[in-house]
Amino acid sequence: NAGVTQTPKFRILKIGQSMTLQCTQDMNHNYMYWYRQDPGMGLKLIYYSVGAGITDKGEVPNGYNVSRSTTEDFPLRLELAAPSQTSVYFCASSYPISGGGNTIYFGEGSWLTVV
Amino acid sequence: QQQVKQSPQSLIVQKGGISIINCAYENTAFDYFPWYQQFPGKGPALLIAIRPDVSEKKEGRFTISFNKSAKQFSLHIMDSQPGDSATYFCAARGGTSGSRLTFGEGTQLTVNP
Repeated sequence: NAGVTQTPKFRILKIGQSMTLQCTQDMNHNYMYWYRQDPGMGLKLIYYSVGAGITDKGEVPNGYNVSRSTTEDFPLRLELAAPSQTSVYFCASSYPISGGGNTIYFGEGSWLTVV
Repeated sequence: QQQVKQSPQSLIVQKGGISIINCAYENTAFDYFPWYQQFPGKGPALLIAIRPDVSEKKEGRFTISFNKSAKQFSLHIMDSQPGDSATYFCAARGGTSGSRLTFGEGTQLTVNP
């Protein structure tokens, strides 16, 4: 029962490098999300997807890109890494809304440092 | 109008005491208000949630109180235990945000033995 799995757990990047954070879920959820968490700032939505082939921007999308080719996978791409992208990144997933609550399940996070 | 304001930023409580965390929102279209609990090194996990048609929901030692007219809701942790030490986030969903949750800034709770 893996849930939402993120890799890598930790990564150090140099300014200007690029990388991809991988995320996969095995709960057959249609909705997937990427958040970043900075101290004292809560969780900010970067991008989200309501299904394979459909993605949209959240609150803080600049400097990131996503794709959703399958229901299970939702990778986050960082192009030209900057120190401001030093953060903890969480992937999450949920069922579509159906009149009830909308429990979002989070992965364990990816700690990224840009130096 | 999509913001959720959370207070306090940090809270220290003695074992057995009551922990209270408050949140306020502006968007009256929000229709679902969850609380998430996050332990160090882990992702947030749903703790308890409420819809605006009820004023209170209790699950064990955790209670959400909801005041629709004041646009405020709070988490009460009764008989707080050291194992409750974590960061707590309130959130809200609905309106133009659709399925997306808008999170508060978080409260770091420490329960001293």
